[in-house]
Amino acid sequence: GQQVMQIPQYQHVQEGEDFTTYCNSSTTLSNIQWYKQRPGGHPVFLIQLVKSGEVKKQKRLTFQFGEAKKNSSLHITATQTTDVGTYFCAGRNSGGSNYKLTFGKGTLLTVNP
Amino acid sequence: DAGITQSPRYKITETGRQVTLMCHQTWSHSYMFWYRQDLGHGLRLIYYSAAADITDKGEVPDGYVVSRSKTENFPLTLESATRSQTSVYFCASSEYRLQGGNEQFFGPGTRLTVL
Repeated sequence: GQQVMQIPQYQHVQEGEDFTTYCNSSTTLSNIQWYKQRPGGHPVFLIQLVKSGEVKKQKRLTFQFGEAKKNSSLHITATQTTDVGTYFCAGRNSGGSNYKLTFGKGTLLTVNP
Repeated sequence: DAGITQSPRYKITETGRQVTLMCHQTWSHSYMFWYRQDLGHGLRLIYYSAAADITDKGEVPDGYVVSRSKTENFPLTLESATRSQTSVYFCASSEYRLQGGNEQFFGPGTRLTVL
């Protein structure tokens, strides 16, 4: 079945440093979504990427979808303590179910103030 | 306030007991999902539903039963709880769009401990 690998598993940074998490799928994706989960909270939708090579920005967050639609990345510029949490990518298989997502295991980001 | 709720938020039970986790959403979303979250495994799909009376297995369905008699409710039952089912359970819902790519809205989660 479809597998979505996410690295790194953990990342600790000093406040102000940049952060990147990478997501790789074993199959071509129709789209990919990113979620953030604060400690003790539930996953919250951040963004969806659909097109090959797509790049989207949300303030200090930059999301990319690979040309082959098999990988994606989330980059945070100048991290803040409010960025702490686990970031998940979730892919929807191309040609598969229209609504089922496969989640990566997530990257836990901690920020030292 | 409209949204997706789960109950109970915390549950401690014993091995062999039946447990039902409730999920209710007020958006009339077509799709609903149950995930379990364990350290090192991320979110794993247990069961999902495309509409009332339509359910299907996810990645880890063994030991779980679901039903969906009404669009807004999607209960998850552990027929005979085992220690390996100790986890945090999240319910989620999403709407149907022809072009796909529907964001999922998650409930607050139920922390289940099986002794």
